[in-house]
Amino acid sequence: AQKITQTQPGMFVQEKEAVTLDCTYDTSDQSYGLFWYKQPSSGEMIFLIYQGSYDEQNATEGRYSLNFQKARKSANLVISASQLGDSAMYFCAMREGHTNAGKSTFGDGTTLTVKP
Amino acid sequence: GAVVSQHPSWVICKSGTSVKIECRSLDFQATTMFWYRQFPKQSLMLMATSNEGSKATYEQGVEKDKFLINHASLTLSTLTVTSAHPEDSSFYICSAPDRGRTDTQYFGPGTRLTVL
Repeated sequence: AQKITQTQPGMFVQEKEAVTLDCTYDTSDQSYGLFWYKQPSSGEMIFLIYQGSYDEQNATEGRYSLNFQKARKSANLVISASQLGDSAMYFCAMREGHTNAGKSTFGDGTTLTVKP
Repeated sequence: GAVVSQHPSWVICKSGTSVKIECRSLDFQATTMFWYRQFPKQSLMLMATSNEGSKATYEQGVEKDKFLINHASLTLSTLTVTSAHPEDSSFYICSAPDRGRTDTQYFGPGTRLTVL
């Protein structure tokens, strides 16, 4: 069974600084996808970044980067130059396989608060 | 980016009534859609996988007779909560992966159901 662990229930960061949100995963599959999502207080899930298990380079999307360490089964999200609008809940998720029909398992989430 | 809509965004109903929630992919086709349930300050729990043209696949512990899913077309899936009770009150979210892509998932804005 797949499992996602996010060990930081809450994190604080000063505006304009970088922050790392931790995510470890457990799977026996060779093919999988890792996702990070942002959920503001409105409730909508916003896709941030994706890393495939066979991708050798770390994914980047603007201010977001994913620090993928396959041997350690970790997929940490790095947010650079934090903004007040980054305050939200962040979820790490793992999808089975490399097709978009695979089921996803979510971590418990990390609440990020950006301080002015 | 691609858009997934959900309707209604919120609903309040009396115990014993049925409620239908629609999930639509607005500018892409989705042969698969996923339905999640989220309690306050908790993670997303996958309820079922909706498949166009075939029966939905339910996760263990989810009552298929209570949560009816119909994937009527390549752009529409519906979740009907039958004979709703207060314990069914929750935030319901659908996601629809674009069948042309594997590196992202699009979520609807969610439906907040309150059963009195």
